[in-house]
Amino acid sequence: AAGVIQSPRHLIKEKRETATLKCYPIPRHDTVYWYQQGPGQDPQFLISFYEKMQSDKGSIPDRFSAQQFSDYHSELNMSSLELGDSALYFCASSTSGGPSYYNEQFFGPGTRLTVL
Amino acid sequence: SQQGEEDPQALSIQEGENATMNCSYKTSINNLQWYRQNSGRGLVHLILIRSNEREKHSGRLRVTLDTSKKSSSLLITASRAADTASYFCAVDSSYKLIFGSGTRLLVRP
Repeated sequence: AAGVIQSPRHLIKEKRETATLKCYPIPRHDTVYWYQQGPGQDPQFLISFYEKMQSDKGSIPDRFSAQQFSDYHSELNMSSLELGDSALYFCASSTSGGPSYYNEQFFGPGTRLTVL
Repeated sequence: SQQGEEDPQALSIQEGENATMNCSYKTSINNLQWYRQNSGRGLVHLILIRSNEREKHSGRLRVTLDTSKKSSSLLITASRAADTASYFCAVDSSYKLIFGSGTRLLVRP
């Protein structure tokens, strides 16, 4: 079965550079979520999109932005990178973006971002 | 953690023993989910329990939910060395997942 695809899997950037992470949800999933997991930390919700509209926002820095495109893939853009942005970034998708009771999210393998 | 604590933070058991992990949360929930993560890798969905359910089974996994105490437990029976991983509970609150701090499980062969 198709899973969530994230690219790249690994990314190394310098401080103050820009990074773009991509997420391709499971086919027919209309909701995408982004999570950040720092070293030894639990995953933290960043932002989500339902039907190409932002549906919720968590602890996402102003330096970060994201969008969902017409084909439902999503991109997380990160500017002015800081050392503390080094983390695993997960994308998840689900079929329930609206008022749905059961929101099973399927996670991608993550993008490991290292900021030097 | 934004949500609460998982207990214990680390657990070391012998292969064949049962492992129990507990999770507490603070908000009202739609459902609670358990995930597994091998070191530095992706999150694997294990089981989802709805807020109107009290217990759920899946293979060697048993999850309980007590909404009055805002707590859940994950029991892994007859553990195997391959079960070594970190286990996270995540509450679905307003359609985003809020994760607990995780339990690191080590199953010794």
